[in-house]
Amino acid sequence: DQQVKQNSPSLSVQEGRISILNCDYTNSMFDYFLWYKKYPAEGPTFLISISSIKDKNEDGRFTVFLNKSAKHLSLHIVPSQPGDSAVYFCAARGGGSQGNLIFGKGTKLSVKP
Amino acid sequence: DAGVIQSPRHEVTEMGQEVTLRCKPISGHNSLFWYRQTMMRGLELLIYFNNNVPIDDSGMPEDRFSAKMPNASFSTLKIQPSEPRDSAVYFCASSPWTGEQFFGPGTRLTVL
Repeated sequence: DQQVKQNSPSLSVQEGRISILNCDYTNSMFDYFLWYKKYPAEGPTFLISISSIKDKNEDGRFTVFLNKSAKHLSLHIVPSQPGDSAVYFCAARGGGSQGNLIFGKGTKLSVKP
Repeated sequence: DAGVIQSPRHEVTEMGQEVTLRCKPISGHNSLFWYRQTMMRGLELLIYFNNNVPIDDSGMPEDRFSAKMPNASFSTLKIQPSEPRDSAVYFCASSPWTGEQFFGPGTRLTVL
């Protein structure tokens, strides 16, 4: 059973608009959440993270929101740029700072000029 | 820093052959992770090491898979004998104590 779910396999957004990528999880013991971006033929690249003690973390155009009661997190990209087109993975970690990550299956974002 | 280095980038082999994938983590990182990515299953953790010691190998699919980390700067993932269903992209990642994992470029393995 998937503990981390990204229910939208793909998302298409116009340049300049907001991109919202969603992620749901089932394990309430997860204490740290991360977003990774992946271009073809490259490894995933760390983008932004959030601890379970926070509900929002912002870094430039990227903001991650965490709703613990709903076991839901989202990544907002504003404004979206064509270079943001990639596969975005949500990941969660439970207990300890170096435990393994559980990844969602990814959402492919396409930002159209 | 050069980032996580993996070799080879591409490997094509025949069923039954031994395959060895190599990884050099980022200097100073004390955790190393091996992942496999397939279309069907996405990114799966195979095994991870803390301070060169294997911590969790529950993701290793079969005894045909083995991983070693003889020192802090080198790890191998070996498949012997390889099978066509092992075809996938294999990623190595390393992390410092803060936990964010940094991925290598991956090795695309094709077993014919």
